[in-house]
Amino acid sequence: AQSVTQPDARVTVSEGASLQLRCKYSYSGTPYLFWYVQYPRQGLQLLLKYYSGDPVVQGVNGFEAEFIKSNSSFHLRKASVHWSDSAVYFCAVSAGSNYQLIWGSGTKLIIKP
Amino acid sequence: DPKIIQKPKYLVAVTGSEKILICEQYLGHNAMYWYRQSAKKPLEFMFSYSYQKLMDNQTASSRFQPQSSKKNHLDLQITALKPDDSATYFCASSQERLGEYEQYFGPGTRLTVL
Repeated sequence: AQSVTQPDARVTVSEGASLQLRCKYSYSGTPYLFWYVQYPRQGLQLLLKYYSGDPVVQGVNGFEAEFIKSNSSFHLRKASVHWSDSAVYFCAVSAGSNYQLIWGSGTKLIIKP
Repeated sequence: DPKIIQKPKYLVAVTGSEKILICEQYLGHNAMYWYRQSAKKPLEFMFSYSYQKLMDNQTASSRFQPQSSKKNHLDLQITALKPDDSATYFCASSQERLGEYEQYFGPGTRLTVL
C-alpha cells in the first residue's frame, strides 16, 4: 500500500537558519512526489514537484527537495528561513495523472525570531 | 483572480441536515477532486472525476455524493450530516495529460456540524 511518512509533527527553527523537513514514502511503482504548504486558514499551495530527471528540484521561495530513491525519501530543504515560512508543510505522492494524492500527516514549521 | 472557487467559505449545519458544497475551477482542467481535512485525520482523498465521470471513490459512506453539472464544476452533497463530518473540504483540479500530475487546490469550505 502507498503511504507517506512525515516523522516530525513540529519543527522549530531560528530565522535565518537552514531547514530540512523529512518525508519518506512507500510506493511500488514510479512515484510522483510533491510538497505543498498550507498557511493558516488557507488552502494548499504547491511548493515543488518531482517527476523524473535531476533528483534535486527547485521550488518557490528558495525551497528545494531531493529525491533519494534508495532511501525512499523526498526531504524538503531551505538554506535560510524567514518568519513568513511559518506554515504546515505536506509531502504527498501520486501514481500519476488523475490519481489521488496520498498525504503525509504534515509538519508544522515554527520560526523563532 | 482566484482560479478555484469554493462556496461557502464557512458553513454551520445541524445534525441530520443536508448541505451542498460548491466548487468551480477556471483553470481549464479536465479532472477534479475532493479531499477532506479534519483535526483527527490527515488529508483524505474522497473522489476524483475526469471529464465529468467518476473515476475513484474512497468515501465509505453514500451520504457523500459528488455532482458535476458542468465540466468545470464539482459540487459535493452531504446528507444526514453528523458531527464527525465537521472538517475542511478542499476541492482540487488537474490537467489529465502525460507529464502533468500536480493538483491545484481551492481555499476550502470549513464545515461545522452541531
